[in-house]
Amino acid sequence: NAGVTQTPKFRILKIGQSMTLQCTQDMNHNYMYWYRQDPGMGLKLIYYSVGAGITDKGEVPNGYNVSRSTTEDFPLRLELAAPSQTSVYFCASSYSGGYNEQFFGPGTRLTVL
Amino acid sequence: GESVGLHLPTLSVQEGDNSIINCAYSNSASDYFIWYKQESGKGPQFIIDIRSNMDKRQGQRVTVLLNKTVKHLSLQIAATQPGDSAVYFCAENNAGNMLTFGGGTRLMVKP
Repeated sequence: NAGVTQTPKFRILKIGQSMTLQCTQDMNHNYMYWYRQDPGMGLKLIYYSVGAGITDKGEVPNGYNVSRSTTEDFPLRLELAAPSQTSVYFCASSYSGGYNEQFFGPGTRLTVL
Repeated sequence: GESVGLHLPTLSVQEGDNSIINCAYSNSASDYFIWYKQESGKGPQFIIDIRSNMDKRQGQRVTVLLNKTVKHLSLQIAATQPGDSAVYFCAENNAGNMLTFGGGTRLMVKP
C-alpha cells in the first residue's frame, strides 16, 4: 500500500503559467482533500471530493480547479499562477467524511516567481 | 469566523519530561477532534482523535483531554523523546465533511 502519493515534489512556476498537481490514493477511500500550507501556518482546505464525480469548495478555492473522474485520482489545477499561490500543497484521503482520520501525502512545494 | 487556535506557538521541553500542547476551539458545535504531528518536510500524521462524548482518550504515550465547558483540547506526551520534535496541529469537525485546522505548535525536545 503506497497510501497517498503526490507529484511533483517541487515545482517553480512563472506568473501566469498553469500546472496540475497530481494526487493518487490506493486505499479505496471515497473522500479526498486538497490543502495548502503557507510557511509557519496551519492547513487551509482548497477543495474536497466525497466520491468520483463530486467536488466541492473548501475555505480557499479561488485560483484552483479540481476534478474527480476516478476514486483513486484527485488532481488540482492552477490555471494562472500567482505569487500568492506559493505554498506547500497537501493531498489527503479518508474512508468517510470528517469523522475519520485523514491520510496525507508528502506534499508538493510550489514556488511562483 | 469560528476557528481552532493554539495557546503556544513553540514549546521546548527536556528529553524525558512530559509535554502538554494546548488548543482552544470556539465552535461549540464541534463534535470530533484530531491531533496531527508534522515532521519537517513531511505531511501531517495522525496521532489520536476524540469525540465530544468523551473527556479523555489514551494512546501509546499520548493522551488527549477534552474540556467542552471551556472549549479546550490538550495533547499530553509522556516521556518526551527527540523523535517527538515536530509541529503539532489540532483539528475540529463541525461541518460534516471537513476538518478545520489550527495554526500549530512547534515542540522542541532538548537532549
